[in-house]
Amino acid sequence: GENVEQHPSTLSVQEGDSAVIKCTYSDSASNYFPWYKQELGKGPQLIIDIRSNVGEKKDQRIAVTLNKTAKHFSLHITETQPEDSAVYFCAARVSGTYKYIFGTGTRLKVLA
Amino acid sequence: NAGVTQTPKFQVLKTGQSMTLQCAQDMNHNSMYWYRQDPGMGLRLIYYSASEGTTDKGEVPNGYNVSRLNKREFSLRLESAAPSQTSVYFCASSERFDRGLTGRKPQHFGDGTRLSIL
Repeated sequence: GENVEQHPSTLSVQEGDSAVIKCTYSDSASNYFPWYKQELGKGPQLIIDIRSNVGEKKDQRIAVTLNKTAKHFSLHITETQPEDSAVYFCAARVSGTYKYIFGTGTRLKVLA
Repeated sequence: NAGVTQTPKFQVLKTGQSMTLQCAQDMNHNSMYWYRQDPGMGLRLIYYSASEGTTDKGEVPNGYNVSRLNKREFSLRLESAAPSQTSVYFCASSERFDRGLTGRKPQHFGDGTRLSIL
């Protein structure tokens, strides 16, 4: 079945450094890839997304890149701040359905 | 604007008890979803409702039932709770997809129900 692998499971960076989280998906027909941030005790919140007809999208300090050939997509956070500390999830929509498959999450810690 | 509201926020049950988790959205979304979140396993889809009047199974439907009460509300029922159903449950909603099932239709999540079954 469809699968999304996410790495790393934990990531610690110094404040001001960059963080990169990578995901690989199995369904070559997937066409929409959202990223979510989950803070403690809260539900996941959408932070950025990308469609399959776009290779890169940027929103201030956050960017997402997509390589359709390799079936990889990545989240890049620059100039990290302590408030970026959270769990991040990638997801891919299963083509032709209303369903999404989520990665297993990355716990990001930004050290002050 | 409340978004997606889940009740209760916390619940402890004994094995064999039943309960219903409630979810309501005020964004006029057509599609609604129930997920469970377990450590190291991300979010797994239990059931979803593409539109009012329809429901379909997700990855892990066993032991659960759902009801799409109206466009706003989508409930999840555990008929006979088991310890393996201890988890955090999230409800989500999204806009209707077009007929080609394409487009940017992000999901909006509630803050979850933390359920413990003893």
